Amino acid sequence: DAGVIQSPRHEVTEMGQEVTLRCKPISGHNSLFWYRQTMMRGLELLIYFNNNVPIDDSGMPEDRFSAKMPNASFSTLKIQPSEPRDSAVYFCASSGTSGGGGQQYFGPGTRLTVT
Amino acid sequence: SQQGEEDPQALSIQEGENATMNCSYKTSINNLQWYRQNSGRGLVHLILIRSNEREKHSGRLRVTLDTSKKSSSLLITASRAADTASYFCATAPYGNNRLAFGKGNQVVVIP
Repeated sequence: DAGVIQSPRHEVTEMGQEVTLRCKPISGHNSLFWYRQTMMRGLELLIYFNNNVPIDDSGMPEDRFSAKMPNASFSTLKIQPSEPRDSAVYFCASSGTSGGGGQQYFGPGTRLTVT
Repeated sequence: SQQGEEDPQALSIQEGENATMNCSYKTSINNLQWYRQNSGRGLVHLILIRSNEREKHSGRLRVTLDTSKKSSSLLITASRAADTASYFCATAPYGNNRLAFGKGNQVVVIP
């Protein structure tokens, strides 16, 4: 298996632009997680899905952020409009355990820079 | 929400020495996990210890869990330069699929 795939790996955009991050989880995994990592705040959970359904989006910073999982093999995280404070590394992770906090498999991340 | 907190925050050791990191948490958990992150990479799962386990080994890794003290330790024996990374503990509460990660513990192994 190729592992969790994220694209793009790097994104540089100007403030106010829309940004879409993409994730393909490991085949057969039924849970998907979006995290944001910064030096100041560490690793933060933004949202997670079980069986394509959003379960907990309490970590989504504000309405500018939205996430979708239209099917079991694809998810997007959209920021519109982007702001410089959104600059971070965004990770997608998947898990084959639907409950109880199982092992998570992380993608390589997308480094987002908003100027 | 609960959160693992690692201690010490940064550790610098010579190759061949052992490295020990601690993690504390605040509420009941289903399991506790340790992850490694190399610079510029995603996190990699190292080991999972369940709440009814006290100690677990995996290669050069040894993890202990003390639920009465709400703490865990990760020991890396005979460290290598390739062990240079950040190490995170993550707690899994009962009935919830989310993990709460600590801030990470940077380990530098000097060849």
